[in-house]
Amino acid sequence: GAVVSQHPSWVICKSGTSVKIECRSLDFQATTMFWYRQFPKQSLMLMATSNEGSKATYEQGVEKDKFLINHASLTLSTLTVTSAHPEDSSFYICSARGAAEVETQYFGPGTRLLVL
Amino acid sequence: GQNIDQPTEMTATEGAIVQINCTYQTSGFNGLFWYQQHAGEAPTFLSYNVLDGLEEKGRFSSFLSRSKGYSYLLLKELQMKDSASYLCAVMDSNYQLIWGAGTKLIIKP
Repeated sequence: GAVVSQHPSWVICKSGTSVKIECRSLDFQATTMFWYRQFPKQSLMLMATSNEGSKATYEQGVEKDKFLINHASLTLSTLTVTSAHPEDSSFYICSARGAAEVETQYFGPGTRLLVL
Repeated sequence: GQNIDQPTEMTATEGAIVQINCTYQTSGFNGLFWYQQHAGEAPTFLSYNVLDGLEEKGRFSSFLSRSKGYSYLLLKELQMKDSASYLCAVMDSNYQLIWGAGTKLIIKP
């Protein structure tokens, strides 16, 4: 199956700093990428959907100025958590899908963020 | 509104069979997915059903009834490594995945 990578796999930062998470599709062109957040013992929560070359669509309740998403190429999307606070500590997971298989999302391994 | 329901937690014995149910109400339907998620890891794909009936893949099978808005994941010959959360997700008319809260499966020796 297709491979999606995320970097970094985990990050610890101080409150008030910004953190960038990269999501790459390694062997296919991802026309759409999804960013999820998952708190302990809870299910995945979709934060935003991004299509290559256009602005991301954010889910209700997700601050677009705080969670900046860029999908500049068909293989890379980035999520930047700006001015991170302890409540932003979570497991961030991206998934990607190509144009040929709209029913299939391939998940990255996730990035664990801890804000002190 | 859109809704996916599945049990919060189930317990089963190693070597036995367990069935995890999922009911859904969504805006449109473009298939139902089952994912396995071990603690601290991203979900991994198990199955995809878009037509009614049973799909068998090794020890795991998934069933779908679109008229009833119902699916189940059947796990046979349970192994300790099957202890994980099992997520049911439905793809709606916009090809967005609507996720259930997940069922935590505990396997006991």
